[in-house]
Amino acid sequence: EVVLTQSPGTLSLSPGDRATLSCRASQTVGIYFAWYQQKAGQAPRLLIYDASSRATGIPGRFSGSGSGTDFTLTISRLEPDDFAVYYCQQYGPSLPLTFGGGTRVEIK
Amino acid sequence: QVQLVESGGGVVQPGRSLRLSCEVSGFTLSTYAMHWVRQAPGKGLEWVAVIWSDGSDRYYADSVKGRFTISRDNSKNTVYLEMNNLRADDAAVYYCARNRFGSGWYYFDYWGQGALVTVSS
Repeated sequence: EVVLTQSPGTLSLSPGDRATLSCRASQTVGIYFAWYQQKAGQAPRLLIYDASSRATGIPGRFSGSGSGTDFTLTISRLEPDDFAVYYCQQYGPSLPLTFGGGTRVEIK
Repeated sequence: QVQLVESGGGVVQPGRSLRLSCEVSGFTLSTYAMHWVRQAPGKGLEWVAVIWSDGSDRYYADSVKGRFTISRDNSKNTVYLEMNNLRADDAAVYYCARNRFGSGWYYFDYWGQGALVTVSS
């Protein structure tokens, strides 16, 4: 099983700040990697797939990078609507599909 | 627009069964593989099962293998999750999610709003 470790657990930032979220995989997954945003009481929403492709309707301030075992989600300038929990997910060649433990982005 | 609506959640005693349904609209269900993903209260996301677009293949997480069954009826635009011998650690919000393609496992491009399953005596 591919274990995904997200860091930090919590990120305390202000609107307008740049947010950098990391996720490390225990085995290489190529670019088969996605990021989701989840707000309280809501379902997750796809942000990034194939490590760096933005999903439909996702603003340009969200970007993804990385390959192999190290991945990054960057939010260039935080807006009030961006404070949420973010999960990474891998869909490499073997099941099970796995998620990271999440990074909470909170208002400082 | 794409919609996935889960139903069938509720309170169930340990050892009993429950069936969740996920009715979809806004796209052709027979074109996509479908997943169930769950989230225990205050916890992260856990993948549960996937079924190919034509129902020919199904895969499960080890934690539910042998107890849960994923199925689909494309004519009814509905995906199901039959859960047997439920345990306390199965308590979660269960999400239905669309796979990007008809077979294989990828990312989840659309999600339902979730169905809450509580396991308690």
